[in-house]
This record gives sequence, structure tokens and C-alpha cells, in this order.
Amino acid sequence: GDSVTQMEGPVTLSEEAFLTINCTYTATGYPSLFWYVQYPGEGLQLLLKATKADDKGSNKGFEATYRKETTSFHLEKGSVQVSDSAVYFCALSLNSGGSNYKLTFGKGTLLTVNP
Amino acid sequence: DTEVTQTPKHLVMGMTNKKSLKCEQHMGHRAMYWYKQKAKKPPELMFVYSYEKLSINESVPSRFSPECPNSSLLNLHLHALQPEDSALYLCASSQGRLIRRDTQYFGPGTRLTVL
Repeated sequence: GDSVTQMEGPVTLSEEAFLTINCTYTATGYPSLFWYVQYPGEGLQLLLKATKADDKGSNKGFEATYRKETTSFHLEKGSVQVSDSAVYFCALSLNSGGSNYKLTFGKGTLLTVNP
Repeated sequence: DTEVTQTPKHLVMGMTNKKSLKCEQHMGHRAMYWYKQKAKKPPELMFVYSYEKLSINESVPSRFSPECPNSSLLNLHLHALQPEDSALYLCASSQGRLIRRDTQYFGPGTRLTVL
């Protein structure tokens, strides 16, 4: 079945460090890919997305590129801040339509940024 | 505006109570979703409404009963819940075509505790 694999956390970084959270996927079709962020005690917020190969999603200094050849969508940020501390979820959706439509999530990666 | 609102923010109920969770969006979206999220886990899909009709029911127990009165509102009626139903309940909405490009926007969630 379709699945998303994220790097195991937790990830702990110092402020201004470079961030990479790996995400790879397995899909029977041609998915759209998403990164969502969940701050403590809150719901999920869409961080960025990409709908076709080689697309780069970007938002708030975060970037991820849809790599079809490696089935990956790694999240990167050049300089993290304490306020980036949160759980990050990679997700995919497929063009199955109707009752087969589903957003499939990875297990999530907890990021803690220390001052 | 990409806001989905949910009420109440917190809910404590006994196993014999009947309560309802409410979700509202004013983005003109025609698909709405209920998810359940346990601590340190990704969200699990419960129900999907598309154009006010139930499209997906992920084999959820009948003590959870969804309702979509109109395209902007989504309710989740709760009755005879169990302590293991304690979780964060998230509502989401998307444009409604249930295709891979549909982007889901999440509300802040209702933190439910069943005693």
C-alpha cells in the first residue's frame, strides 16, 4: 500500500543550525506531497506542498523538492529558530478519487531547537 | 483566509454523556473531514464529507456519528464513549473534488477527555 517514511526523531538542534528532515514515499500512482507542522497543543498547519516532479515547495524559510527518481521530499531550512520547535509530518495524497482518496501521513518528527 | 474553526477547544465527558463537536469553515470548500489524533501519533482519518454527502467512513464505531448540515458546517456527535476515545479531534476542509491536488486545511482541534 501507499506509505510515507520519515526519519526517526527526536531531532535536537541549536538555533541557526541547518535542518534536514528526510521523507521518502511509496505510492501506486503519482502523488501530491505535503509537509504539515504541528506546534504544541495546536492543530496541523500546512507548511508547503508540491504536486509534480521537480516542483519546489517553500514557505517561512523551509523548502522541499519533489524528487520522483528517489521518491523523496526532504524538508530543509538553512537556519532554524527556537520558534520552529514542533512536530513535522510528511504526507501524500493520490489521484484515486472518490472513496479511495486519502491523505497518508508519516509518523512525524519532533524538532526541538535550543537557544 | 485559510481558517477552520472548532468548538469547544476542550471537552471532558463521562461515558454516559452525549456531546457534540463543531467545525466551521468559510473558504467555500466542499469537502470536510474528521480525524482522531492520539499523543505522538499522526492523525487517523475517521470520516469524509464531499458536497454534504458522506464519502468515506473508515469503519468508525457507531458511538461517533458525523453530520454535515451544510457546506460550511460539520458536526461530530458523541455518545457512550470509552476512555480510549480520549484524543485530539481535528477537523479539516478542502476544495472538495477529492483528487490528489486537494489540499487539506486543519482546524486547531478539540481536546476530548472521556472519564
